[in-house]
Amino acid sequence: QPVLTQPPSSSASPGESARLTCTLPSDINVGTYNIYWYQQKPGSPPRYLLYYYSDSNKGQGSGVPSRFSGSKDASANAGILLISGLQSEDEADYYCMIWPSNAPGVVFGGGTKLTVL
Amino acid sequence: QVQLQESGPGLVKPSQTLSLTCTVSGSSISSGGYYWSWIRQHPGKGLEWIGYIYYSGSTYYSPSLKSRITISVDTSKNQFSLKLSSVTAADTAVYYCARVLTSSSLDYWGQGTLVTVSS
Repeated sequence: QPVLTQPPSSSASPGESARLTCTLPSDINVGTYNIYWYQQKPGSPPRYLLYYYSDSNKGQGSGVPSRFSGSKDASANAGILLISGLQSEDEADYYCMIWPSNAPGVVFGGGTKLTVL
Repeated sequence: QVQLQESGPGLVKPSQTLSLTCTVSGSSISSGGYYWSWIRQHPGKGLEWIGYIYYSGSTYYSPSLKSRITISVDTSKNQFSLKLSSVTAADTAVYYCARVLTSSSLDYWGQGTLVTVSS
């Protein structure tokens, strides 16, 4: 199973933007995967936010504000979750996920704890 | 509105079998189009996929847990279940059930249930 690498923590101030990364191993190309993002607040289950494949192939979870968006950085082989106009309620853990092509099921990243200062 | 609810013992003794059931409302397991999944989260840690089942009974398990897992479905009750055998303290976790849009998002999750393995 591939390992998705996420920074353990990130922080930003209210009103700013947060850019969270999910790096894929070098032997799999981010360009060929949908990257899914989930938000989890303490004591609650994860909430599906969105997926991103390309600008023409992406989707937002039900009720998820448009200030949550996805992209990719091909040079870094990474998926990106961008949260603009940060609010205190965005403080949470964020997980990325993919469906590996060579194994059943899904793989989650280790998660990033976002602190809104 | 789709809702999932996990149920089962919160305490299991080492070497015994952990058994959980997920009851689904607002979505029919037998209608197809979705997988039904189990995911766990060790205390203070990240998410770990356990496996999923289709309404037909087809199952897909995590390679790391495959030898100890059984996931089954009861479409008449709109439920699916997890059995994890030979548990140890390392299986202590919050267990979630979730609906999986085929090869896509886990769009609805249960609230999760903490299972502690201890004598």
